[in-house]
Amino acid sequence: GAVVSQHPSWVICKSGTSVKIECRSLDFQATTMFWYRQFPKQSLMLMATSNEGSKATYEQGVEKDKFLINHASLTLSTLTVTSAHPEDSSFYICSARDRGSPTYNEQFFGPGTRLTVL
Amino acid sequence: AQKITQTQPGMFVQEKEAVTLDCTYDTSDQSYGLFWYKQPSSGEMIFLIYQGSYDEQNATEGRYSLNFQKARKSANLVISASQLGDSAMYFCAMRGVNTGKLIFGQGTTLQVKP
Repeated sequence: GAVVSQHPSWVICKSGTSVKIECRSLDFQATTMFWYRQFPKQSLMLMATSNEGSKATYEQGVEKDKFLINHASLTLSTLTVTSAHPEDSSFYICSARDRGSPTYNEQFFGPGTRLTVL
Repeated sequence: AQKITQTQPGMFVQEKEAVTLDCTYDTSDQSYGLFWYKQPSSGEMIFLIYQGSYDEQNATEGRYSLNFQKARKSANLVISASQLGDSAMYFCAMRGVNTGKLIFGQGTTLQVKP
């Protein structure tokens, strides 16, 4: 199946700093990528939908100025957590759909990035 | 609006036995897809099985089968011949054709006992 990578896999930062997480589709073009957030032992919560070349669409309750999403190419989307605080500590997972795949219905997930804000 | 409900926070099953994980959903979309994912402790999301709302046959993938009952809006996952490696969190998810967004249920933690 298609492969989605994320970098970094984990990051620890001080409160008030910004952190950028990269999501790449390695062997397919992803016109749409999705960013999820997951707290321990809880469900994945969709934060935003990222479309290549246009502004991301954020879910209700997600601060767009805090979670900046950029989808500059068909294989790369980035999530920047600005002025991070301890409550932003979470597991962030990106996902993408391969529109060129016969298994179009599948949605492929990156391995996730664990963010810890001190 | 779309909603996915998994009412079993945790389940135990004996190795080699079958187990059913429950999932109910609600949507106003006429066309939608239902998914099951496995999330081991490493955090990766592993796609297991997919069922389209217009598919007449229940989906099967190896030891996984999806018991789709459209009128009852349920999409239960059946794992046959459980293995120790099946211990993980399992998520039911749905994507409506109108929203295009994949949303998840609360998840069920499955533990397989030797």
